[in-house]
Amino acid sequence: DTGVSQNPRHKITKRGQNVTFRCDPISEHNRLYWYRQTLGQGPEFLTYFQNEAQLEKSRLLSDRFSAERPKGSFSTLEIQRTEQGDSAMYLCASSLPGGSEKLFFGSGTQLSVL
Amino acid sequence: QKEVEQDPGPLSVPEGAIVSLNCTYSNSAFQYFMWYRQYSRKGPELLMYTYSSGNKEDGRFTAQVDKSSKYISLFIRDSQPSDSATYLCAMSPNTGGFKTIFGAGTRLFVKA
Repeated sequence: DTGVSQNPRHKITKRGQNVTFRCDPISEHNRLYWYRQTLGQGPEFLTYFQNEAQLEKSRLLSDRFSAERPKGSFSTLEIQRTEQGDSAMYLCASSLPGGSEKLFFGSGTQLSVL
Repeated sequence: QKEVEQDPGPLSVPEGAIVSLNCTYSNSAFQYFMWYRQYSRKGPELLMYTYSSGNKEDGRFTAQVDKSSKYISLFIRDSQPSDSATYLCAMSPNTGGFKTIFGAGTRLFVKA
């Protein structure tokens, strides 16, 4: 068990470009979450999967954002037509089945939109 | 008003000091209370987890929850330079991490 893995660690892109991030959760965790964190703030919830089903989406997740977890294992988060306001740390977390508030976070992907 | 309020600090203490970190909240539905530690350029790491009111101790760390006052605390005894990090309080109304609300975090510096 190597923990939650996120790639890439850093991404620099120009405004208007599309970006995709990947998250590999802890293998026995069937719940997967995406959070966004800006400087000086705590993580803010974006979306949540139980297995391959996306069960909850925040209002923060505009139509430029899409997340998938096709086989209930890894997940991707895509941002289309990036804006400077999208610059943030994107964190992935996973948790055990059966309901758990104990979130295990990856190291995040730091996105900078120029 | 935010659901969870946390003083961002920074808080600077000498090595060996007792540190007190606090959060207040407004949603009386919160039942689960957590403290996460986040080092620079890393994801948050769960430190303490408490259900409902009361105290919980784990080594040098003690978490307290006072639901009547909507106030939670984390105490760190014999603080070490390695404790220097951002401490995030978090809380949830029921099972399911997707409803977890985080505070803004308090930056702690422990000076050797």
